[in-house]
This record gives sequence, C-alpha cells and structure tokens, in this order.
Amino acid sequence: AQKVTQAQTEISVVEKEDVTLDCVYETRDTTYYLFWYKQPPSGELVFLIRRNSFDEQNEISGRYSWNFQKSTSSFNFTITASQVVDSAVYFCALSVKTSGTYKYIFGTGTRLKVLA
Amino acid sequence: GAVVSQHPSWVICKSGTSVKIECRSLDFQATTMFWYRQFPKQSLMLMATSNEGSKATYEQGVEKDKFLINHASLTLSTLTVTSAHPEDSSFYICSARGGTGAYNEQFFGPGTRLTVL
Repeated sequence: AQKVTQAQTEISVVEKEDVTLDCVYETRDTTYYLFWYKQPPSGELVFLIRRNSFDEQNEISGRYSWNFQKSTSSFNFTITASQVVDSAVYFCALSVKTSGTYKYIFGTGTRLKVLA
Repeated sequence: GAVVSQHPSWVICKSGTSVKIECRSLDFQATTMFWYRQFPKQSLMLMATSNEGSKATYEQGVEKDKFLINHASLTLSTLTVTSAHPEDSSFYICSARGGTGAYNEQFFGPGTRLTVL
C-alpha cells in the first residue's frame, strides 16, 4: 500500500514555541520523493521542500527544518520559534507512479494555529 | 518559483448551468496538469490528470462527462463542470508540473471556489 499519514489533525501553540508536524509514509518503491506544502487561509498551496529517498540529511531553511528517517518511514517538519504567520494547514505528500504518471498521495493535513 | 494562475477565483451559479475554470502556467511549460477538489477541512482529492494534447485520465469515481477537462496547450488547462448541482460546490484547485519525473514538484494555483445555488 502507498499511503501518507499525518496523525495530528490540529495543533495549537503559542507564538515563539517550537512545533513538529509528523508525517509517516508507506511505499513499495525503493526510489521515491516526499514533499511538504503549506496551505494558508487564502487557499493556495505553497511548496516548501522536496526530499528523495536516498538523501537522509536533515535540511534547515531559516526557522524550518525537516527530519527524514527511512528506518521509521517518517519525514517530520519542525518550525522553530513559531509565528502567527505560520498558521496554516500543512500537507505532506508522496510522489508515486500511477498509470504511467507521477502523482501525489497527500496526507490529511495538519492544521497549525499559532496564537499571539 | 513557478506561477500558476486560476480564473475565476470564485463563482456562483445556478443549478443546471455549466462553469468553466481556467488554469494557466505563467512562466513555464506544463507537461502535466492536475485537477483537485477540496472539501472544507479536508485534504485534496485528485480528480484527473491531463497531459497536453491528450485526453485526461480521471480518477476512479469521477464522472468524466460531468467534469470536462481540456489541456489544449502547454500553458492552459480548463475544467468545465457541466450541469452543475449544489453537491458540486467545492474548492477546485489545479496544479502544473514542468517535467515528468518523480522529483518534479507540482505548483498549485490559488483555487476556485464554486458555489452552486
């Protein structure tokens, strides 16, 4: 089965707290790509990061960091010193080939609320 | 980054009418475009995949005669909701991708909110 699970439906934090959004995936492929997107209240999904299955290095971009662990099939996302503008729904996605085309399998999303 | 536009951003129509939504990749050529539907507080549900110049591939359960997709050029795809009914009210999102590999990310449009009265 190919699947993405984001077990946290909604998280609320106070501004400046750190928060980690979990993503667990299942795939039969040995080569695959994982993505994170942010969907702010405006509705437009914004690409945050791509990670391939051969690169387990953690990545940091400003206040954002990602921890990819193949051993646990997880690709978690941490926001350090959260800000109100981080409030959004965050989706984790797995790129899978179906009927000859790579498509996304999305998780159900985690709604993050950062309170001032 | 790559920009994808959608028009209109919102539309209200009467039951029984047809509505066309346009999706354009503004600064790149999209070999593949995708159409999604999103219900409130839910994830994105893929409706169909379209490649330029060929027929769209619909996901199971999506009525191809109701949701007509045309991908006439490398920068434009349209979704027409035919004979719309209140249950078709939803947030429709398109995305576009410039390559065909697993590593090619999709760039999303801002979405179109359809309300059918």
